[in-house]
This record gives sequence, structure tokens and C-alpha cells, in this order.
Amino acid sequence: GESVGLHLPTLSVQEGDNSIINCAYSNSASDYFIWYKQESGKGPQFIIDIRSNMDKRQGQRVTVLLNKTVKHLSLQIAATQPGDSAVYFCAERGTGGFKTIFGAGTRLFVKA
Amino acid sequence: KAGVTQTPRYLIKTRGQQVTLSCSPISGHRSVSWYQQTPGQGLQFLFEYFSETQRNKGNFPGRFSGRQFSNSRSEMNVSTLELGDSALYLCASSLVGRNTGELFFGEGSRLTVL
Repeated sequence: GESVGLHLPTLSVQEGDNSIINCAYSNSASDYFIWYKQESGKGPQFIIDIRSNMDKRQGQRVTVLLNKTVKHLSLQIAATQPGDSAVYFCAERGTGGFKTIFGAGTRLFVKA
Repeated sequence: KAGVTQTPRYLIKTRGQQVTLSCSPISGHRSVSWYQQTPGQGLQFLFEYFSETQRNKGNFPGRFSGRQFSNSRSEMNVSTLELGDSALYLCASSLVGRNTGELFFGEGSRLTVL
């Protein structure tokens, strides 16, 4: 079936360093790949997405890279801050937009 | 603009009971999706509704059902509750036709089954 998996369940970085969170996906037919951030007690919050016909997209302090050859997605966070501590989910949206499948999540710890 | 509102936020039920959860999407959003979140299984897709029609369903037993009303508000129902149904149930709404994969999530309804 369709699945989106994450390479590492936990990532610890020093404040000010760059963070890279990785994700593998299996459904080549997805049209969007998305990153969400979930803080304790809250619902997931959209960070950035990338369309399947792109390989890189930048936002504010974040960059998403898509490698369709190896079915790999990554989220880069520049100058990681304590407020970035959260669980990060990658997700993929199927063609037609009816269904978004989430990966297992990576917990990011930012050390001051 | 108000966000996605889910009620109730917390509830406790016993095995065999049923539960109904409610979701009010962001104004103008006509697509509503439901997810079950547990520590062991992550975010699992339950179903998605648009214009009162279920367009897609996840791999859950028939005890899980939902519906959407003409004002886009949605409810999900779980009958004959089992201990394993304890989870955070998240609702998300989205605009259809926009060039984005963004879902807007509520804060969830946390269900505990005893």
C-alpha cells in the first residue's frame, strides 16, 4: 500500500545549527509532498509543500528537497531555534487531492 | 478568520459505547478529512468528505463512519468502542482547487476508552 516513512525518529541539534529531517515515500503518483510541524497539545501545522514536478522549494528558514529518483524528501531548517522543537511529519497528497498520507514523524530537540 | 473547531476536546467512554465527534471547518473550506493519531501508528487517514460525499476512505473497520452536512461541518462516529480506539482524532479542512497540499488542522478530540 501507500506509505511515507521517516529515516530517524529523533533528532537533536544545537541552537543555531541547521537541521535536516529526512523522509522516504513509496507512491510515485502523489502530486504534492508536504511537511507539517506538530507541537505538544496542538494539531499539525503546515510548514511548506512542494509539487511533484519540482525538486526544491524555499520558504522562510526552511527548504524542502524532493528527489524522485530515490523517492526521498527532506526538510532543512536553517539556524534552528528552540521554538522549532516539535514533531515533524512528512506527508504526500494523492492525485486528485482526496487523501493525504502521513509519515511516522521525527521529534526534533533543540539544545540551547 | 476562525480556524478548524473540534468538539469535544476530551472525552472518556467505556468499551461497547459509541461516540460522535464534530468538526467545523474554516469558512469557505468544503473538504474535510479525519485522522486518527496514536503514539504507535502515527497519523492514520480515516476518510475525506467534499460536498457531503465521502471521496476516500482509509483502512478502518466499518465501526468508523462519518458524514458531512450542507454547511461543510462534519461528524465522525465510532460504534462499539474498543480499548484500541483510544486516540487523538484530528479533523482537517482544505480549499479544493488551490495549488497547494495544505491541510488546516483542528486541535483534535482526545478519546479515552476504558
